[in-house]
Amino acid sequence: DAGVTQSPTHLIKTRGQHVTLRCSPISGHKSVSWYQQVLGQGPQFIFQYYEKEERGRGNFPDRFSARQFPNYSSELNVNALLLGDSALYLCASSRTVVLETQYFGPGTRLLVL
Amino acid sequence: DAKTTQPPSMDCAEGRAANLPCNHSTISGNEYVYWYRQIHSQGPQYIIHGLKNNETNEMASLIITEDRKSSTLILPHATLRDTAVYYCIVLTGNQFYFGTGTSLTVIP
Repeated sequence: DAGVTQSPTHLIKTRGQHVTLRCSPISGHKSVSWYQQVLGQGPQFIFQYYEKEERGRGNFPDRFSARQFPNYSSELNVNALLLGDSALYLCASSRTVVLETQYFGPGTRLLVL
Repeated sequence: DAKTTQPPSMDCAEGRAANLPCNHSTISGNEYVYWYRQIHSQGPQYIIHGLKNNETNEMASLIITEDRKSSTLILPHATLRDTAVYYCIVLTGNQFYFGTGTSLTVIP
C-alpha cells in the first residue's frame, strides 16, 4: 500500500513569493496534519484537517493556510515567504483525529533565498 | 509545547539493546505516549505507543512506569540502521508536540 506522498520533494523560492505544497494521505485516512521542521529542531505542528474542516492550528502566522479536498488530499500555502520559512514541511495522515497514530510522508524541502 | 524530556544524545554498540529514556511527569491519565524516529531528515517513522501497559511490536518494546511519569523505549538488538533521532511524544488532544529528541548513534 502506498504511504503518504508529498510534492514537490524540493523547492527553491525567493523572499516575498508564494508556495503551495501538496499531500496525499494513505488510502482510507481522512485526516491530514502539517508540520514545519527547521534544521536541528523537532517538527512543529501547523494545521490539522479532518473531513475538509480545520480541526487544529499551531502558532503560525496568517501567511500560512491550508485546505483539504473531497478526496482527502491537502495543500499547504505560504504567502510572502521569509528566509525563516526555509524548512522541511511534513505531512502526516491518520484515519480520524481522536487519539490516532499519524503516519508521515517524506516531506518537502523548501529553501527561501 | 513538548511535554517530554529526553537526553540529547546516546551511543549504543551494534547488537546490544538500546534503552532510550523519556520523562513525562505532567502526563494526564488519558494521554498516550508515542515514539517516532527520524532518519537523516526523512519523515518521522512511527515505532510504538502505549497508555499504561508495556507494549511490544516487531520494532521495539515500550516500558511505562506505574506512575506513568516516565517511559523507556527498548530496541532489543540495535543495528547501524537504527541510528536516528528518536522522539518521545505525549499525544495531547489531536496533536503531536515534538521536542528535540534523542540522537542515537549505533557504533559498529
